[in-house]
Amino acid sequence: NAGVTQTPKFQVLKTGQSMTLQCAQDMNHEYMSWYRQDPGMGLRLIHYSVGAGITDQGEVPNGYNVSRSTTEDFPLRLLSAAPSQTSVYFCASSYEGVTEAFFGQGTRLTVV
Amino acid sequence: GQSLEQPSEVTAVEGAIVQINCTYQTSGFYGLSWYQQHDGGAPTFLSYNGLDGLEETGRFSSFLSRSDSYGYLLLQELQMKDSASYFCAVSNQAGTALIFGKGTTLSVSS
Repeated sequence: NAGVTQTPKFQVLKTGQSMTLQCAQDMNHEYMSWYRQDPGMGLRLIHYSVGAGITDQGEVPNGYNVSRSTTEDFPLRLLSAAPSQTSVYFCASSYEGVTEAFFGQGTRLTVV
Repeated sequence: GQSLEQPSEVTAVEGAIVQINCTYQTSGFYGLSWYQQHDGGAPTFLSYNGLDGLEETGRFSSFLSRSDSYGYLLLQELQMKDSASYFCAVSNQAGTALIFGKGTTLSVSS
């Protein structure tokens, strides 16, 4: 009964380093999204996908890349981390784009 | 684009009723959703209104008026465990992902 699994839970990066945040879901959902959450800013949409091989940009896509090679996995890549990317990142999946979204437990990323 | 407005903070006492309002501007509308998030936790789904009117789920109800671009979440018989952030959300223009408001922090005191 895993739902949406994100790894790692915590990460500290140095400015300029790259890393991939992993997200996997076992509910066979076609729709998956990445959000970042900063104090007072709510959840802001970074990138989303409507199925394997299909991705699109959200509200704040700069500095992030995504790909969707399988239905289950939707990794988020930071190519060159910046302190402005310090945030909590949530991955979500849903059966449709407008219905109930299931969230992972989040990745708390600090860029120093 | 899509935008949502909701109050930043609401306070109430145990046993009371509180209403959290949400107004939105959208290009294409597929419904209004509400999510709850406790400190340090992940958002969890509370309710969805696709049509005008009231949806009730236990102590929580949600209302939508599409003509007014307005909805609210009503929490009754408040408990300490209801202290959390509450987010309203609409879909993006294509109906393929959710856009969230900035959230309302509810503090329930005894």
